Amino acid sequence: QLQLQESGPGLVKPSETLSLTCTVSGGSISSSSYYWGWIRQPPGKGLEWIGSIYYSGSTYYNPSLKSRVTISVDTSKNQFSLKLSSVTAADTAVYYCARQSSSDVVMGVWGQGTTVTVSS
Amino acid sequence: DIVMTQSPDSLAVSLGERATINCKSSQSVLYSSNNKNYLAWYQQKPGQPPKLLIYWASTRESGVPDRFSGSGSGTDFTLTISSLQAEDVAVYYCQQYYSTFTFGPGTKVDIK
Repeated sequence: QLQLQESGPGLVKPSETLSLTCTVSGGSISSSSYYWGWIRQPPGKGLEWIGSIYYSGSTYYNPSLKSRVTISVDTSKNQFSLKLSSVTAADTAVYYCARQSSSDVVMGVWGQGTTVTVSS
Repeated sequence: DIVMTQSPDSLAVSLGERATINCKSSQSVLYSSNNKNYLAWYQQKPGQPPKLLIYWASTRESGVPDRFSGSGSGTDFTLTISSLQAEDVAVYYCQQYYSTFTFGPGTKVDIK
């Protein structure tokens, strides 16, 4: 059974870079059938797509975050990662990773999420 | 950007009764070349990640009970829970994937 697990620091200082990793187990990140995405949810608020990556390395970013976001994939470790630079308190959120089918690109499998707080 | 709106913000329905959630997109999410609506619905229970319920506006994800159904086309969509169960208490989000991805603000469903 496919599982996704987010990991990374729970506290990041303002102006620094948020770095998270999603480890995929029970399946290969190199499958041509899937994209891999990051979505976040500020406390008590709705969902915001951050960006997605294909195993080949092709990336797609939310235009509102594009200047600060980098998503990469490490097929040898079956992981993909998120970097968000110049963070502010507005970036405080639960960050989810998810698998997206390449046929319909919806988020069919989600990780449990990890809470990141931006504070000094 | 395609902006998604939902109504109502919240609703309370008696067990066994019907719950209806509406979703509207700021522009059509119907792709004419394949006649598919790029619209999905997710369910999120407290402390849990969202769960995919429906995609292509009306296709149920595997394992989703058939009391959940989606309908609509173009810019107006509906999620219907035909007979509300206690385990359906959650926030429901619509999402368009016609042009990148944007979610609606969510509709909270409770038991009356």
